[in-house]
Amino acid sequence: DGGITQSPKYLFRKEGQNVTLSCEQNLNHDAMYWYRQDPGQGLRLIYYSQIVNDFQKGDIAEGYSVSREKKESFPLTVTSAQKNPTAFYLCASRSGTGGNTIYFGEGSWLTVV
Amino acid sequence: AQSVTQPDIHITVSEGASLELRCNYSYGATPYLFWYVQSPGQGLQLLLKYFSGDTLVQGIKGFEAEFKRSQSSFNLRKPSVHWSDAAEYFCAVKGGGADGLTFGKGTHLIIQP
Repeated sequence: DGGITQSPKYLFRKEGQNVTLSCEQNLNHDAMYWYRQDPGQGLRLIYYSQIVNDFQKGDIAEGYSVSREKKESFPLTVTSAQKNPTAFYLCASRSGTGGNTIYFGEGSWLTVV
Repeated sequence: AQSVTQPDIHITVSEGASLELRCNYSYGATPYLFWYVQSPGQGLQLLLKYFSGDTLVQGIKGFEAEFKRSQSSFNLRKPSVHWSDAAEYFCAVKGGGADGLTFGKGTHLIIQP
């Protein structure tokens, strides 16, 4: 089935460790996004990428890093510099050929203890 | 910069009653508008979208929304709610380009038996 796959669904890490969240899509979409969701805050954009080997900071990029080496993959690394990393992370994608609809994966829960 | 306001944090509706969720946006040009629904711990599912044309748009699960430019609103409606509609609902706006969606903070819908 076509879609966006995020893994792992649940992740626990100790404070000070870097963690990487995976996002893979088989929709042949050009643009990919990472959002963070906190209770009562809605969704906030971390990073986005319009094409391979290119990405841009969103509204809350500090403490995060991404790469886009392949069209179908857009992993997010939560670094130890992120002061409050515990959150629900959502990956999304959009077709580049005139499409304006953004589709979401099922999300990943990150808990830092 | 664009913004979205969902004035109601929580709404409680009896099963079978009608529903209207409010959304107001701020954007300088004609926006692309979306409603998404999120069940607990899940990703976001697209309910409907408005790009242009008919200002009353139909979506999945019996939902509809009306774009009113004069009021900068895009309210979501359903004539008769079901218990399975209990979820978090997000309104979002997208401008041109690939810089993602701007979300409201969401409305939590509770269905009373």
